[in-house]
Amino acid sequence: DVKVTQSSRYLVKRTGEKVFLECVQDMDHENMFWYRQDPGLGLRLIYFSYDVKMKEKGDIPEGYSVSREKKERFSLILESASTNQTSMYLCASRPTHQFNTQCFGPGTRLTVL
Amino acid sequence: DQQVKQNSPSLSVQEGRISILNCDYTNSMFDYFLWYKKYPAEGPTFLISISSIKDKNEDGRFTVFLNKSAKHLSLHIVPSQPGDSAVYFCAASAAYSGGGADGLTFGKGTHLIIQP
Repeated sequence: DVKVTQSSRYLVKRTGEKVFLECVQDMDHENMFWYRQDPGLGLRLIYFSYDVKMKEKGDIPEGYSVSREKKERFSLILESASTNQTSMYLCASRPTHQFNTQCFGPGTRLTVL
Repeated sequence: DQQVKQNSPSLSVQEGRISILNCDYTNSMFDYFLWYKKYPAEGPTFLISISSIKDKNEDGRFTVFLNKSAKHLSLHIVPSQPGDSAVYFCAASAAYSGGGADGLTFGKGTHLIIQP
C-alpha cells in the first residue's frame, strides 16, 4: 500500500514565522502535490512537482514555496505565515498518468495566530 | 472560475436508500473523473473513477455515471450505510488530452449525512 506521511497532524504558529510542512511517500512516485482544504472552497492546488528539483505553481501559490531535493520528499514552506494561511494542508503523490492512484496523506491542520 | 462544481454543499439520506451526488464541469478538455471520500481529520481516499470513453463504472455499492454532452457526472451509492457519512469530492483531469503531471481539479465537496 502506498503510504504518504506528513510530519505533523496539528501545528500552531505565530504570524510572521517561517513554517515547514514535510511530506514523504514511500512508493517511488514521480508526482507530488500540496493542496489546502478550506470549508466551502474544497481542495485547492498550491504547488506540484513532477520530478526532483522540479516544481510548478498550482492555483494558489502566493505566499508559499516548495522544495523537492529528493524524490520521496516534498516540502511546503510558508516564508512568513499569516492568519489567512490557517487551513488543512494535504500532500498527495502518484505515478505519472495514473490518476486513480493519487494517494493523500492524513493532512496537517495549521493554525496561525 | 470554477471548472468543477458540486452545487449541493450537503445531502441527507436515510439509511438503506440511494444517495445521489452530482458534479458538473465546464472544461471540455477533462477526460478523466474521480470521486474521493473524506472523513474529518483524515486525507481523502480514492473511491471510484471513470474515463470519458465510458458512461458508467460500477464498483460494489458505488456507481459513477458520466454524461459528456451535459458535462455532468453523478455518484450513486446503493444502499446507503452510516459509514458512508463523509464529504465527497468530485475531481477531474485532462489526463489524456493534456499534461500527465498536473494536479486534479476538485469540486468544493458535498457533505453526505446518512440518517439511521
